[in-house]
Amino acid sequence: GAGVSQSPSNKVTEKGKDVELRCDPISGHTALYWYRQSLGQGLEFLIYFQGNSAPDKSGLPSDRFSAERTGGSVSTLTIQRTQQEDSAVYLCASSSGQHSNQPQHFGDGTRLSIL
Amino acid sequence: DAKTTQPNSMESNEEEPVHLPCNHSTISGTDYIHWYRQLPSQGPEYVIHGLTSNVNNRMASLAIAEDRKSSTLILHRATLRDAAVYYCILRGSYGGSQGNLIFGKGTKLSVKP
Repeated sequence: GAGVSQSPSNKVTEKGKDVELRCDPISGHTALYWYRQSLGQGLEFLIYFQGNSAPDKSGLPSDRFSAERTGGSVSTLTIQRTQQEDSAVYLCASSSGQHSNQPQHFGDGTRLSIL
Repeated sequence: DAKTTQPNSMESNEEEPVHLPCNHSTISGTDYIHWYRQLPSQGPEYVIHGLTSNVNNRMASLAIAEDRKSSTLILHRATLRDAAVYYCILRGSYGGSQGNLIFGKGTKLSVKP
């Protein structure tokens, strides 16, 4: 079946521009997560959506970052006024629930480069 | 979520078994042990998880110590495609948890032909 799909796969933009990254989770998955992975670094949690509950935004690094999830399915991560330190691979994952025995399924990420 | 300790790197020969260790001495009774791997230029891939008993699936086996303070991921016959970074992650109990995974540095597995 279809896995988690992210678009675009690569994005190059100039410093100061806004970018939108898209995630299509596995159909029926109620939990959706955004992470980012900077060069040579581990994965860092950004934000988490579970069903219709308010998202957990505790991992967002600044107020330039925001995310929404429409209709409980597709999610968009927006970065405003991009900075060079925002360059990273942004990964999305979905899960059938938030229980600790439920695996997360990842997309292949969007590689964001800020010039 | 409790912390895990893994070796930075390991090497294996193709078609030989690989045992990847993970220590988690502060694990709580309700923590599940999850393993993920990340191949170059790809997102992490779920491998296996368990609570107390050993687990087997098509990708690997998970052996959990009786006191649950350590576990071992077993790849029965390593292939070149198994070269990846392997992450051992503990996930806490449901209810009040963010549910997000906390990734450490993992073990980089190299497979020699």
